[in-house]
Amino acid sequence: EPEVTQTPSHQVTQMGQEVILRCVPISNHLYFYWYRQILGQKVEFLVSFYNNEISEKSEIFDDQFSVERPDGSNFTLKIRSTKLEDSAMYFCASSDNRGPYNEQFFGPGTRLTVL
Amino acid sequence: AQSVTQLDSHVSVSEGTPVLLRCNYSSSYSPSLFWYVQHPNKGLQLLLKYTSAATLVKGINGFEAEFKKSETSFHLTKPSAHMSDAAEYFCAVSENFGNEKLTFGTGTRLTIIP
Repeated sequence: EPEVTQTPSHQVTQMGQEVILRCVPISNHLYFYWYRQILGQKVEFLVSFYNNEISEKSEIFDDQFSVERPDGSNFTLKIRSTKLEDSAMYFCASSDNRGPYNEQFFGPGTRLTVL
Repeated sequence: AQSVTQLDSHVSVSEGTPVLLRCNYSSSYSPSLFWYVQHPNKGLQLLLKYTSAATLVKGINGFEAEFKKSETSFHLTKPSAHMSDAAEYFCAVSENFGNEKLTFGTGTRLTIIP
């Protein structure tokens, strides 16, 4: 069964460093998303991406964040200068249908620890 | 604005007994509602979804949920718990005007007692 994959599973970085989280969505999907979950808190929407551009972003997704689909298969989230409060589990998702009834397929997540 | 409240952070039930995981939502529009499950080291898997058709929705692994507009609830139930049901469960809402963003609750950890 096709699934969304994410690498690495755990990333440890120093504050101020850049990190890139990688995701491989399901191959025929066209819509891509990033969510994050700070330990003990809700899963929060960060950004959605379609047709090589951002469709929607939350207020969390500030200038330190960027997304890219560099090669038609990977979907990346870059954090330019990490802060302690960026420590969280980051989930990638993809779907093949826009609108309220879509099923978003989620990856297993990358746990980011900022020291 | 939309929001979801999962009333219990942790639920423990004995194997073979019923499961009830509670979810209340707030939405300015007719919502779509989802339950996702996350097993350890796995992604979020869709259990079931409500999309304004039948109010009683059946999902995978014997789970079902009932949409109650008057109570703004979408509680998840299963008649008989199985050890493999032990996981984290997330309720989520998406508003019905083409915005596909999901808003999640804080999750409920389900423990099954042998």
